[in-house]
Amino acid sequence: QITLKESGPTLLKPTQTLTLTCAFSGFSLTTSGEGVGWIRQPPGKALEWLALVYWNDDKHYSPSLHNRLTITKDPSNTRVVLTMTNMDPVDTATYFCTHNIRSTWAWFDPWGQGTLVTVSS
Amino acid sequence: SSELRQPPSVSVSPGQTASITCSGDNLGEKFVSWYQQKPGQSPVLVMYQDKKRPSGIPDRFSGSNSGTTATLTISGTQSMDEADFYCQTWDSNFVLFGGGTKLTVL
Repeated sequence: QITLKESGPTLLKPTQTLTLTCAFSGFSLTTSGEGVGWIRQPPGKALEWLALVYWNDDKHYSPSLHNRLTITKDPSNTRVVLTMTNMDPVDTATYFCTHNIRSTWAWFDPWGQGTLVTVSS
Repeated sequence: SSELRQPPSVSVSPGQTASITCSGDNLGEKFVSWYQQKPGQSPVLVMYQDKKRPSGIPDRFSGSNSGTTATLTISGTQSMDEADFYCQTWDSNFVLFGGGTKLTVL
């Protein structure tokens, strides 16, 4: 059974850097094809994809946010870290991490419970 | 850039069929996934590769995709199906999500 759980700060001030950790079990990021993605959802709004990292360290970022995002695999291969620089109140959202198996038209399953990050001065 | 368009809301009576659409350029040439999100919960995959149901998803959920529109169909809709639904596909190496559709069962 695959499970994922997000952790990180709940409150940030504008211009600060967000660091989120996704701890997962039930699969290994050393196995060919495996990946972890980050997706966020502002309160009352739609899902927005942020980033993906695969077992081979191939990384993909949202075109609109790529200059602020970094996704990395923890050396333990049981965690994935997402950093987002220069946080703004519009970045207030629930941030989800999710499992992904690489394919041309891959899907996300399952998802973590999400963590709400609020950006406010 | 590409985008996926969904109606903001769809209403259906219990026991009837609900159809939720997702439109995009040449969408029929891509595979689409669908997610159901109930209030306060994480999204759950309910359809992938247009019409494949993950284990545990009731067979009243079905999917199709042709031309520029993908459709998630819920037959014999139940009150428990009330939720937000999101479609998802890819554009090159980028993930696209639709704006979401709120399904109301009334």
